[in-house]
Order: sequence, then C-alpha cells, then structure tokens
Amino acid sequence: KAGVTQTPRYLIKTRGQQVTLSCSPISGHRSVSWYQQTPGQGLQFLFEYFSETQRNKGNFPGRFSGRQFSNSRSEMNVSTLELGDSALYLCASSLGTSGGANEQYFGPGTRLTVT
Amino acid sequence: GIQVEQSPPDLILQEGANSTLRCNFSDSVNNLQWFHQNPWGQLINLFYIPSGTKQNGRLSATTVATERYSLLYISSSQTTDSGVYFCAVKTGANNLFFGTGTRLTVIP
Repeated sequence: KAGVTQTPRYLIKTRGQQVTLSCSPISGHRSVSWYQQTPGQGLQFLFEYFSETQRNKGNFPGRFSGRQFSNSRSEMNVSTLELGDSALYLCASSLGTSGGANEQYFGPGTRLTVT
Repeated sequence: GIQVEQSPPDLILQEGANSTLRCNFSDSVNNLQWFHQNPWGQLINLFYIPSGTKQNGRLSATTVATERYSLLYISSSQTTDSGVYFCAVKTGANNLFFGTGTRLTVIP
C-alpha cells in the first residue's frame, strides 16, 4: 500500500506571496492532518480534515487554510507569507474513525523557505 | 492543552550501547505514538502504544497510562539509529501533541 505523499518537496517563496501544498493520504484513510515544524516551536498541529470538512483546528492565524477533496486528498494554503512561515510542513493520514485507534502516518514533508 | 515532556533532550552513545528514552504527559491520553525523524525530516512510525509493552527487533516500548509516562528502549544501538525521537499523544480530538524530542547520536 502506498504511503502518504506530499508535493512539492521543496519550495522557495517571497514575503507576501501565497503558497499551496498538497497531500495524498494512504488509500482508505479519510482523515488528513497538517502540522508545522520549526526549530523554535517544534511540531504544532494546524488543522484536520475528515470527509471534506474541517474537524479540528490548531492555534494558527487565518492566513493558514485548507480543504479536502472527495478522494480525501488535501491541500493547505498560506496567504501573505511571512518570514516566520519558513518551516517543514508535514501531512498525516489516518482512518479518522471516532473512538478508533487512528494511528497517524506521516508524509515526507514540504520544506518551505520564505525570503 | 496537554504537556508532553521528553528526556533526555540529547543523548550520545557508543555503537552497541543500550538506551532508554522517556516521555511524560500531563493528562489522560487515548493514543501514544513514538516516531523517529530521519535526516530528511520524515517521521517514521515506531510504535502505536497507548498502554502496555510492544517490541520490534532491537526496539521496545512501554506505556504506563495510569502513571502518564512511556519509555522507548533501544538496544545494541547502531549508527543508523541516530536522529530525533518524538513521542506524541492524542486526547479526545484526532490531533497529536508532540514532545520536544530526544536527539540521539550514535558514534561508531
């Protein structure tokens, strides 16, 4: 079974621009979660999508948004990029069933650099 | 939110040595996972272990949920074990809270 895939793997953007990252979960998984990893803040939860609906959200500004498609693929968008948005963005896939095990599996990440 | 603390923050071992990494958490959890982050940034699943003990080759893990801690044991360490080890927990919602990690360096 194929793992979680993320595209692109590396990205360089300029302050003020916007960016869209993509994640394809493991086949059969309906939940996709996004995390941001920075040296200063560590790994932090951004949001979770399940069945095309945002089910859970972390403490990030509204510039960070996402969506999920009917095939469970997800995209996240960051608008008006700031230098502090430079980070490794990780996507995680899980079954997402309520009360279930929901072991999460991570993709390879997208490394975003904002200049 | 829940606090997750990992110790030690850094660990340097000679190849062949054994080690124990610890994860303490501040509240009840319904999921606990251990990950190894490779040099390219990918998080590799090691264990899903909300309670009990599991073993996988040279690695094993134990979670004592009632006392809110988990331990990861690495035996006969190899240079390929180097990297950062994260503990992550989940409470009600389906998102993980990560510890700050233990950076392991194994010297040949």
